[in-house]
Amino acid sequence: DGGITQSPKYLFRKEGQNVTLSCEQNLNHDAMYWYRQDPGQGLRLIYYSQIVNDFQKGDIAEGYSVSREKKESFPLTVTSAQKNPTAFYLCASSPGTGGNTEAFFGQGTRLTVV
Amino acid sequence: GQQVMQIPQYQHVQEGEDFTTYCNSSTTLSNIQWYKQRPGGHPVFLIQLVKSGEVKKQKRLTFQFGEAKKNSSLHITATQTTDVGTYFCAQANAGGTSYGKLTFGQGTILTVHP
Repeated sequence: DGGITQSPKYLFRKEGQNVTLSCEQNLNHDAMYWYRQDPGQGLRLIYYSQIVNDFQKGDIAEGYSVSREKKESFPLTVTSAQKNPTAFYLCASSPGTGGNTEAFFGQGTRLTVV
Repeated sequence: GQQVMQIPQYQHVQEGEDFTTYCNSSTTLSNIQWYKQRPGGHPVFLIQLVKSGEVKKQKRLTFQFGEAKKNSSLHITATQTTDVGTYFCAQANAGGTSYGKLTFGQGTILTVHP
């Protein structure tokens, strides 16, 4: 099955620990995105990447880091510098550059920091 | 960067009533996309509009892009309980320093009472 896979679905971490969220796609898409979703705030863009080995900060990049070493993979690290990391994280990909095409989303990872 | 404002934040309707959500920008948009997120799910692409004044229909859903390409609307005729969810507009930067950036409006949460 082709698609975009996020793992794990639920993740619990202690405060002060870094945690990496996985995002893999086998759709051969060039562009990938990470969003954070909090109740009542919609989807906020953390980082995005148009091609391998290149990525740009979104609107709320502080406290997060990413890498794009392979076309299929775009992992997100939530660092201890992120003040409110508990949220629902969504990864997406799209086939074309410029974002002018449909974005496909993964199932999301719900991160809880205690 | 370009931002889209979406209203209303919440909408409660009786089954059979119509529903409309609006997306507005202070700057001209190159395109507008619409997504639906069911409760507990991930956003799913509905449609993309690129032309000034464009109108597209999908069964009971009608999508419009304003003549000035600064606003858009999604209208659902005779809502059903299956329409429940959050509807997002999104816009993709087609040029400039934010090339490829895909940002979302805050979303409208639709509740349909049977």
